[in-house]
Amino acid sequence: QKEVEQNSGPLSVPEGAIASLNCTYSDRGSQSFFWYRQYSGKSPELIMSIYSNGDKEDGRFTAQLNKASQYVSLLIRDSQPSDSATYLCAVKRGTGFQKLVFGTGTRLLVSP
Amino acid sequence: GAGVSQSPRYKVAKRGQDVALRCDPISGHVSLFWYQQALGQGPEFLTYFQNEAQLDKSGLPSDRFFAERPEGSVSTLKIQRTQQEDSAVYLCASSPGQGFHYGYTFGSGTRLTVV
Repeated sequence: QKEVEQNSGPLSVPEGAIASLNCTYSDRGSQSFFWYRQYSGKSPELIMSIYSNGDKEDGRFTAQLNKASQYVSLLIRDSQPSDSATYLCAVKRGTGFQKLVFGTGTRLLVSP
Repeated sequence: GAGVSQSPRYKVAKRGQDVALRCDPISGHVSLFWYQQALGQGPEFLTYFQNEAQLDKSGLPSDRFFAERPEGSVSTLKIQRTQQEDSAVYLCASSPGQGFHYGYTFGSGTRLTVV
Protein backbone atom coordinates (compact mmCIF):
# COMPACT_ATOMS: atom_id res chain seq x y z
CA GLN A 1 0.00 0.00 0.00
CA LYS A 2 1.37 3.38 -0.97
CA GLU A 3 1.66 5.90 1.81
CA VAL A 4 -0.41 8.50 -0.07
CA GLU A 5 -2.93 7.39 -2.67
CA GLN A 6 -4.71 9.41 -5.33
CA ASN A 7 -6.76 8.49 -8.36
CA SER A 8 -4.59 9.36 -11.36
CA GLY A 9 -7.59 10.50 -13.41
CA PRO A 10 -8.09 12.33 -15.60
CA LEU A 11 -10.99 13.96 -13.84
CA SER A 12 -12.99 15.87 -16.42
CA VAL A 13 -15.39 18.64 -15.37
CA PRO A 14 -17.11 21.40 -17.37
CA GLU A 15 -16.25 25.03 -16.78
CA GLY A 16 -18.11 26.43 -13.80
CA ALA A 17 -18.58 23.07 -12.07
CA ILE A 18 -17.12 21.91 -8.77
CA ALA A 19 -14.07 19.65 -9.05
CA SER A 20 -13.54 17.22 -6.18
CA LEU A 21 -10.08 15.70 -5.72
CA ASN A 22 -9.48 12.99 -3.14
CA CYS A 23 -6.52 11.56 -1.29
CA THR A 24 -6.06 8.85 1.34
CA TYR A 25 -3.02 8.25 3.52
CA SER A 26 -1.83 5.29 5.52
CA ASP A 27 0.13 6.77 8.44
CA ARG A 28 -2.25 7.64 11.30
CA GLY A 29 0.49 9.79 12.82
CA SER A 30 0.36 12.21 9.90
CA GLN A 31 -0.08 15.73 11.12
CA SER A 32 -0.19 18.11 8.19
CA PHE A 33 -1.54 17.91 4.68
CA PHE A 34 -0.80 19.93 1.59
CA TRP A 35 -2.20 20.31 -1.89
CA TYR A 36 0.12 21.28 -4.72
CA ARG A 37 -0.81 22.18 -8.28
CA GLN A 38 1.55 21.21 -11.08
CA TYR A 39 1.11 22.43 -14.63
CA SER A 40 2.63 20.32 -17.37
CA GLY A 41 6.37 20.88 -17.53
CA LYS A 42 6.36 23.09 -14.43
CA SER A 43 7.23 22.53 -10.79
CA PRO A 44 4.71 21.95 -7.98
CA GLU A 45 3.11 25.05 -6.48
CA LEU A 46 1.62 25.03 -2.98
CA ILE A 47 -2.06 26.02 -3.00
CA MET A 48 -3.51 24.79 0.31
CA SER A 49 -2.48 23.38 3.64
CA ILE A 50 -4.64 21.89 6.41
CA TYR A 51 -3.83 20.54 9.86
CA SER A 52 -7.14 20.17 11.72
CA ASN A 53 -10.24 18.11 11.01
CA GLY A 54 -12.87 19.99 9.05
CA ASP A 55 -12.86 22.45 6.19
CA LYS A 56 -10.49 25.25 5.28
CA GLU A 57 -11.46 27.70 2.58
CA ASP A 58 -9.27 29.98 0.47
CA GLY A 59 -11.01 31.69 -2.40
CA ARG A 60 -12.36 29.04 -4.79
CA PHE A 61 -10.45 26.29 -2.99
CA THR A 62 -11.64 24.28 0.01
CA ALA A 63 -9.52 21.64 1.69
CA GLN A 64 -11.28 19.02 3.81
CA LEU A 65 -9.62 16.73 6.35
CA ASN A 66 -10.98 13.68 8.14
CA LYS A 67 -8.24 12.13 10.26
CA ALA A 68 -10.45 9.29 11.50
CA SER A 69 -11.00 8.15 7.91
CA GLN A 70 -7.45 9.16 6.87
CA TYR A 71 -8.92 11.15 4.04
CA VAL A 72 -8.19 14.59 2.65
CA SER A 73 -9.87 16.29 -0.27
CA LEU A 74 -9.69 19.46 -2.32
CA LEU A 75 -12.75 21.13 -3.79
CA ILE A 76 -12.40 23.68 -6.56
CA ARG A 77 -15.52 25.78 -7.08
CA ASP A 78 -16.36 27.51 -10.36
CA SER A 79 -13.67 25.51 -12.16
CA GLN A 80 -11.86 27.33 -14.95
CA PRO A 81 -9.88 25.93 -17.90
CA SER A 82 -6.80 27.47 -16.25
CA ASP A 83 -7.33 25.04 -13.35
CA SER A 84 -6.42 22.16 -15.68
CA ALA A 85 -3.33 20.66 -14.09
CA THR A 86 -2.16 17.77 -11.94
CA TYR A 87 -3.02 18.11 -8.27
CA LEU A 88 -0.60 16.50 -5.84
CA CYS A 89 -1.56 15.54 -2.32
CA ALA A 90 1.32 15.59 0.18
CA VAL A 91 1.47 14.47 3.80
CA LYS A 92 3.85 15.13 6.69
CA ARG A 93 4.27 12.75 9.60
CA GLY A 94 3.90 14.12 13.09
CA THR A 95 7.17 12.93 14.60
CA GLY A 96 10.81 12.89 13.69
CA PHE A 97 12.05 14.34 10.48
CA GLN A 98 9.03 15.61 8.64
CA LYS A 99 9.57 15.05 4.96
CA LEU A 100 6.68 15.57 2.62
CA VAL A 101 5.41 12.36 1.07
CA PHE A 102 3.57 12.86 -2.21
CA GLY A 103 0.88 10.94 -3.99
CA THR A 104 1.10 10.34 -7.73
CA GLY A 105 -1.32 13.19 -8.45
CA THR A 106 -4.73 13.53 -10.07
CA ARG A 107 -4.94 15.12 -13.50
CA LEU A 108 -7.82 17.60 -13.75
CA LEU A 109 -9.23 18.69 -17.11
CA VAL A 110 -11.69 21.59 -17.17
CA SER A 111 -13.43 21.93 -20.49
CA PRO A 112 -14.80 25.30 -21.73
CA GLY B 1 16.63 35.38 -3.69
CA ALA B 2 12.92 35.63 -4.40
CA GLY B 3 12.51 31.96 -5.26
CA VAL B 4 14.36 28.66 -5.41
CA SER B 5 16.76 28.72 -8.34
CA GLN B 6 17.99 25.58 -10.06
CA SER B 7 20.51 25.11 -12.82
CA PRO B 8 20.89 23.89 -15.43
CA ARG B 9 17.27 23.80 -16.55
CA TYR B 10 18.00 20.90 -18.90
CA LYS B 11 20.89 18.46 -18.98
CA VAL B 12 21.62 15.74 -21.50
CA ALA B 13 24.28 13.30 -20.37
CA LYS B 14 25.81 10.32 -22.06
CA ARG B 15 25.53 7.10 -20.08
CA GLY B 16 28.47 6.86 -17.72
CA GLN B 17 29.01 10.62 -17.51
CA ASP B 18 29.01 12.46 -14.17
CA VAL B 19 26.59 15.36 -13.67
CA ALA B 20 26.17 18.10 -11.06
CA LEU B 21 22.87 19.86 -10.43
CA ARG B 22 22.76 23.11 -8.49
CA CYS B 23 20.13 24.55 -6.17
CA ASP B 24 20.06 28.02 -4.65
CA PRO B 25 17.29 28.13 -2.01
CA ILE B 26 15.28 31.09 -0.82
CA SER B 27 17.44 33.32 1.32
CA GLY B 28 17.14 32.41 5.00
CA HIS B 29 15.54 29.03 4.42
CA VAL B 30 17.36 26.56 6.62
CA SER B 31 15.73 23.41 5.24
CA LEU B 32 16.58 22.15 1.76
CA PHE B 33 15.24 19.05 0.03
CA TRP B 34 15.96 17.18 -3.17
CA TYR B 35 13.24 15.20 -4.90
CA GLN B 36 13.19 13.10 -8.06
CA GLN B 37 10.12 13.12 -10.26
CA ALA B 38 9.65 10.55 -13.01
CA LEU B 39 7.15 11.18 -15.77
CA GLY B 40 3.59 10.75 -14.55
CA GLN B 41 4.64 10.24 -10.94
CA GLY B 42 4.69 12.35 -7.82
CA PRO B 43 7.97 13.70 -6.47
CA GLU B 44 10.02 11.11 -4.56
CA PHE B 45 12.19 12.22 -1.64
CA LEU B 46 15.95 11.93 -2.07
CA THR B 47 17.65 13.85 0.72
CA TYR B 48 17.27 16.64 3.30
CA PHE B 49 19.60 19.28 4.71
CA GLN B 50 19.16 21.48 7.73
CA ASN B 51 21.68 24.24 7.21
CA GLU B 52 24.87 22.39 6.20
CA ALA B 53 23.98 19.12 7.90
CA GLN B 54 22.59 16.31 5.78
CA LEU B 55 20.07 14.82 8.17
CA ASP B 56 18.39 12.30 5.92
CA LYS B 57 19.69 10.66 2.77
CA SER B 58 17.45 7.62 2.90
CA GLY B 59 15.93 8.32 -0.52
CA LEU B 60 19.15 8.37 -2.51
CA PRO B 61 18.74 5.40 -4.88
CA SER B 62 22.37 4.31 -4.95
CA ASP B 63 25.87 5.29 -3.91
CA ARG B 64 26.22 7.01 -7.27
CA PHE B 65 24.11 9.82 -5.87
CA PHE B 66 25.74 12.36 -3.59
CA ALA B 67 24.52 15.70 -2.25
CA GLU B 68 26.20 18.49 -0.35
CA ARG B 69 25.46 21.90 1.09
CA PRO B 70 28.81 22.97 2.52
CA GLU B 71 27.95 26.49 3.67
CA GLY B 72 24.30 25.96 4.46
CA SER B 73 23.06 27.77 1.38
CA VAL B 74 23.66 26.49 -2.16
CA SER B 75 23.36 22.74 -2.61
CA THR B 76 24.70 20.43 -5.30
CA LEU B 77 23.33 17.02 -6.23
CA LYS B 78 25.92 14.93 -8.01
CA ILE B 79 25.22 11.77 -9.95
CA GLN B 80 28.18 9.66 -10.94
CA ARG B 81 28.27 7.24 -13.88
CA THR B 82 24.76 8.16 -14.99
CA GLN B 83 22.40 5.42 -16.12
CA GLN B 84 19.27 5.63 -18.26
CA GLU B 85 17.08 5.03 -15.22
CA ASP B 86 18.42 8.29 -13.75
CA SER B 87 16.47 10.23 -16.40
CA ALA B 88 13.95 12.33 -14.48
CA VAL B 89 13.25 15.84 -13.26
CA TYR B 90 15.25 16.70 -10.16
CA LEU B 91 13.44 19.16 -7.95
CA CYS B 92 14.94 21.20 -5.16
CA ALA B 93 12.73 22.69 -2.46
CA SER B 94 13.32 24.84 0.60
CA SER B 95 11.37 25.83 3.68
CA PRO B 96 11.96 28.28 6.54
CA GLY B 97 12.12 25.53 9.15
CA GLN B 98 11.20 22.02 10.08
CA GLY B 99 7.84 22.63 11.75
CA PHE B 100 4.88 20.52 10.71
CA HIS B 101 3.07 23.54 9.32
CA TYR B 102 5.73 24.46 6.79
CA GLY B 103 5.12 23.59 3.18
CA TYR B 104 7.94 23.59 0.68
CA THR B 105 8.70 26.01 -2.14
CA PHE B 106 10.00 24.21 -5.20
CA GLY B 107 12.43 25.37 -7.83
CA SER B 108 11.74 24.95 -11.52
CA GLY B 109 13.70 21.71 -11.60
CA THR B 110 16.43 20.21 -13.76
CA ARG B 111 15.31 17.78 -16.44
CA LEU B 112 18.04 15.16 -16.82
CA THR B 113 18.05 12.95 -19.89
CA VAL B 114 20.62 10.15 -20.05
CA VAL B 115 21.27 8.86 -23.56
